[in-house]
Amino acid sequence: DTGVSQNPRHKITKRGQNVTFRCDPISEHNRLYWYRQTLGQGPEFLTYFQNEAQLEKSRLLSDRFSAERPKGSFSTLEIQRTEQGDSAMYLCASSAENSPLHFGNGTRLTVT
Amino acid sequence: GDSVTQMEGPVTLSEEAFLTINCTYTATGYPSLFWYVQYPGEGLQLLLKATKADDKGSNKGFEATYRKETTSFHLEKGSVQVSDSAVYFCALSDQGGGSQGNLIFGKGTKLSVKP
Repeated sequence: DTGVSQNPRHKITKRGQNVTFRCDPISEHNRLYWYRQTLGQGPEFLTYFQNEAQLEKSRLLSDRFSAERPKGSFSTLEIQRTEQGDSAMYLCASSAENSPLHFGNGTRLTVT
Repeated sequence: GDSVTQMEGPVTLSEEAFLTINCTYTATGYPSLFWYVQYPGEGLQLLLKATKADDKGSNKGFEATYRKETTSFHLEKGSVQVSDSAVYFCALSDQGGGSQGNLIFGKGTKLSVKP
């Protein structure tokens, strides 16, 4: 069990640029989640995959955000035309059915 | 919609002091309740959970009881250690049965324990 891995750890980008984050879940976990956490707040749910199917999306996930999990293993989260309000910690978690979520250490995005 | 409210921090205690972090929730159904902990430089970890009314979750000396009548899930520990310094998050899932997934988190409470 190597844990949930997220890359990069930090990303600084200029407003208007596109960014992509990667999450590698624990290998036997079929469920994968993305959350966003802003300073002083708890994590907020963004989206959820079971295997390669995206089963749930939060209304927080605007049309500038897209997530994929093409082969049911790793996942990517892309933000197009970034805005300063997108600055946050983006967390990935994975789980097996009826098991606790295992969170990664997150990708911190700063939009300047 | 469903929500979680937890006491604001930071909370500073001396080693061996008693800890309570209050958490109350609003939910339309019968949620499962969780406490997560985030140690400095690490990812969120599940600390304990309770899936139905009057259940008590416990782990590492921490306890929390699911109180439906007061819609609360307060976290307690009888004697804190410096190593308990972390941010604690209360959360709920409306999926029931202990399943997680679309978790709704409180804002977190930072605990600092002084030697």
